[in-house]
Amino acid sequence: AQSVTQPDIHITVSEGASLELRCNYSYGATPYLFWYVQSPGQGLQLLLKYFSGDTLVQGIKGFEAEFKRSQSSFNLRKPSVHWSDAAEYFCAFQGYKYIFGTGTRLKVLA
Amino acid sequence: EAQVTQNPRYLITVTGKKLTVTCSQNMNHEYMSWYRQDPGLGLRQIYYSMNVEVTDKGDVPEGYKVSRKEKRNFPLILESPSPNQTSLYFCASSLGGRPGNEQFFGPGTRLTVL
Repeated sequence: AQSVTQPDIHITVSEGASLELRCNYSYGATPYLFWYVQSPGQGLQLLLKYFSGDTLVQGIKGFEAEFKRSQSSFNLRKPSVHWSDAAEYFCAFQGYKYIFGTGTRLKVLA
Repeated sequence: EAQVTQNPRYLITVTGKKLTVTCSQNMNHEYMSWYRQDPGLGLRQIYYSMNVEVTDKGDVPEGYKVSRKEKRNFPLILESPSPNQTSLYFCASSLGGRPGNEQFFGPGTRLTVL
C-alpha cells in the first residue's frame, strides 16, 4: 500500500535556527516526491520535487530536501528559518495516484 | 497570469441544499482534481479528471459529483450537503496525470454546512 507519514504535527523553532521536517513514505518502487507549503488562508505552493538523480534537491525560498531510499525518507531542511516561513508543510507522494501527508505546522519564534 | 480559480471562496449553507463550487484553470491542463482538507487528515482526493469527459473517484467521493465538459472547468457538485462535508476544498490542475507533473492549486473554498 502507498502511504506518506509526517510524524510531527507541530514544530516550533526560533528565527535563525535550522529546520528539518520529516517525511516517510511506503511504496514498492522509486516514488515521485514533493513538498508543498500552505501559508494561512492560501492554497498550496510547490517548494521542491524529486524524481530521480541527485538525492539532494534544491527548492524555492532556500529549502532543500534529501531523498534517502534506505530510510524511505524525504526530509525537508532549511539552514536558517525566517519568520515568514511560518506555515503548514505537506509532503506528497505520487505512485499511481497523488497522496498527501497530514501536514506539519511550523511556528517561528521571534 | 497562470492560475486556478475557485468560486465561491466562502460558503455557508444548510443541510440538503444543492450547491456547486466552480473551478477553472487557464493553463490548458489536462488533469484536474478536487481535494478536501480536514484538520489532522491532510488533503484527501475526492475526484479527478484525466481529460474532458473522463472522471474518476478519488479516496473520498461519497456525497460529491463532478463533471468535465470543458477542459478548463471542473465543477464540484454537492447534491445534498451534510454537516460532515464541512471542510476546506481545493481544486488543482496539472499538465497531465502522469507521475511527476506538478499540481497547481486554487486558493480554496471554505464550506460550512449547518
